Amino acid sequence: GAVVSQHPSWVICKSGTSVKIECRSLDFQATTMFWYRQFPKQSLMLMATSNEGSKATYEQGVEKDKFLINHASLTLSTLTVTSAHPEDSSFYICSASLAGFTGELFFGEGSRLTVL
Amino acid sequence: QKEVEQDPGPLSVPEGAIVSLNCTYSNSAFQYFMWYRQYSRKGPELLMYTYSSGNKEDGRFTAQVDKSSKYISLFIRDSQPSDSATYLCAMSAGSGGSNYKLTFGKGTLLTVNP
Repeated sequence: GAVVSQHPSWVICKSGTSVKIECRSLDFQATTMFWYRQFPKQSLMLMATSNEGSKATYEQGVEKDKFLINHASLTLSTLTVTSAHPEDSSFYICSASLAGFTGELFFGEGSRLTVL
Repeated sequence: QKEVEQDPGPLSVPEGAIVSLNCTYSNSAFQYFMWYRQYSRKGPELLMYTYSSGNKEDGRFTAQVDKSSKYISLFIRDSQPSDSATYLCAMSAGSGGSNYKLTFGKGTLLTVNP
């Protein structure tokens, strides 16, 4: 299957700092990537849809100025959590769909963010 | 009514048992159906993918979709301790724009006891 890589897998930062998480499709081109957030024992909550070369589409209630998404190439999307606060601590997961959508989404390993 | 309903469990079975997991949904536009397995602190791993109604088998796993009943199932035969994980059903309306978006069930926590 297609491989999606996320980095870092775990990050701890101080309150007020910014953190960047990278999502790469390793063996395919992903025109669309998705960013999810997952709380303990909860399902995945879609934050935004990232399209290569255009602005991300954010879900209702997600602050676009806080969660900056950039999809600069067909294999890389980044999520930057700006001015992080403890309530931003969560598990962030990206996923990517194959160009010429077939209905399948492939997920990265996830990035656990802890804001002190 | 939530778009996708999934019993969160937990479900505990002995090794070798047949496991049945299922989801119901309300949006008749859904036509792509997926099952993901998620180990603790890891990203979801795609297990099965089905388009429209029907059955699909892959090794010990069988996925069934009944669009008339808006009901999907995942069966695991000869369950193994390594199958212990959270199983998430997911579905989408199809290709193009926001239809790419997956709607997930809450996930069922499965434990297979040796």
